[in-house]
Amino acid sequence: NAGVTQTPKFQVLKTGQSMTLQCAQDMNHEYMSWYRQDPGMGLRLIHYSVGAGITDQGEVPNGYNVSRSTTEDFPLRLLSAAPSQTSVYFCASSSPPSGRGETQYFGPGTRLLVL
Amino acid sequence: RKEVEQDPGPFNVPEGATVAFNCTYSNSASQSFFWYRQDCRKEPKLLMSVYSSGNEDGRFTAQLNRASQYISLLIRDSKLSDSATYLCVVTKVYSGYALNFGKGTSLLVTP
Repeated sequence: NAGVTQTPKFQVLKTGQSMTLQCAQDMNHEYMSWYRQDPGMGLRLIHYSVGAGITDQGEVPNGYNVSRSTTEDFPLRLLSAAPSQTSVYFCASSSPPSGRGETQYFGPGTRLLVL
Repeated sequence: RKEVEQDPGPFNVPEGATVAFNCTYSNSASQSFFWYRQDCRKEPKLLMSVYSSGNEDGRFTAQLNRASQYISLLIRDSKLSDSATYLCVVTKVYSGYALNFGKGTSLLVTP
């Protein structure tokens, strides 16, 4: 049981390049989400999904696309990288809420530098 | 105004001290509340959920005041290993259980 995995761990891109950050979970969680963490800003929600085939925008979706074709995978695509997208990206998953405070499990993060 | 506000600290305390963190949230319809812990350059991990009745887990006590929209975390008998950033987290109301994070409060426990 690997939990939430993210690849790559580190990436350097040039402005204008595109890439996909991978996220996978093996806990059969329906809920998955992507956050970015910047110094002084805390974690901010980029996109989220409540199940396969269903995605929605979070707080800072511009410049990113997502899709959810399977329960396990939730890739994040940078369409045309910009220096403002330099950040640490975390993927998270959880089971649906029941009002008891379900845990969200985070992947180890991807550190992205855009030059 | 950010939806979840925390004192950023840093809080520097000696081992054995008691330290309290405070957090306020702006959306009265928020549903669930948590404290997460984040070690340097690592992913956040759940420390504890926060309930209206208050809850305790060993040296950690969390309180929620819905009327004041205020959340607290008390750490008693601080250990060196408690040094981390503590994130106050509130569920967003309209986003499928995605989390709304405060910026975090940094704690350094010194010998």
